[in-house]
Amino acid sequence: DVKVTQSSRYLVKRTGEKVFLECVQDMDHENMFWYRQDPGLGLRLIYFSYDVKMKEKGDIPEGYSVSREKKERFSLILESASTNQTSMYLCASTSLGQLSYNEQFFGPGTRLTVL
Amino acid sequence: GENVEQHPSTLSVQEGDSAVIKCTYSDSASNYFPWYKQELGKRPQLIIDIRSNVGEKKDQRIAVTLNKTAKHFSLHITETQPEDSAVYFCAAPREYGNKLVFGAGTILRVKS
Repeated sequence: DVKVTQSSRYLVKRTGEKVFLECVQDMDHENMFWYRQDPGLGLRLIYFSYDVKMKEKGDIPEGYSVSREKKERFSLILESASTNQTSMYLCASTSLGQLSYNEQFFGPGTRLTVL
Repeated sequence: GENVEQHPSTLSVQEGDSAVIKCTYSDSASNYFPWYKQELGKRPQLIIDIRSNVGEKKDQRIAVTLNKTAKHFSLHITETQPEDSAVYFCAAPREYGNKLVFGAGTILRVKS
């Protein structure tokens, strides 16, 4: 049973703080993702990693960075938190498909509030 | 790149009725279309998917249909139950690497 965990369910930070959100998966998945979920906007991709130390920008990378030093762990960093980054953050992972796409397994989400 | 539009944004049905959610996509090369369900306070989970070599797939009360010519796919839920109340997201592939583009989501409310 795939398990994806996130470091916090709820987080409250102040404007300008540096924020770390961590995600860990236990199924040796190559691909990991960070999404942001806002009502009416669906799940928007912030960053994607297809291997250790490899990353790609998604649709909304501004104000975020990521780190993947180990295969099982993918961290999202808000360099200087702003109020417009108040949102639900979801991490996901999936195995590498050779010819087809595979199910993405999501973490429980972190609801971040920036004051 | 791929663009996915999902309708309706909210849907209320009476318990026992059917519910249909429709998504359109832009890239004719897309070949994989999953549907995720997110119950209140929980994580999204895959409930059904379809690949472009078939036109319909069923799993008990849920089914997905695909019209490649018109570039749309739909989720059908029959005999709805209160536990079907959730947000449903459709998705389509983008570029490579198992990346997906998600629709904006549909809030389904099943009234008992």
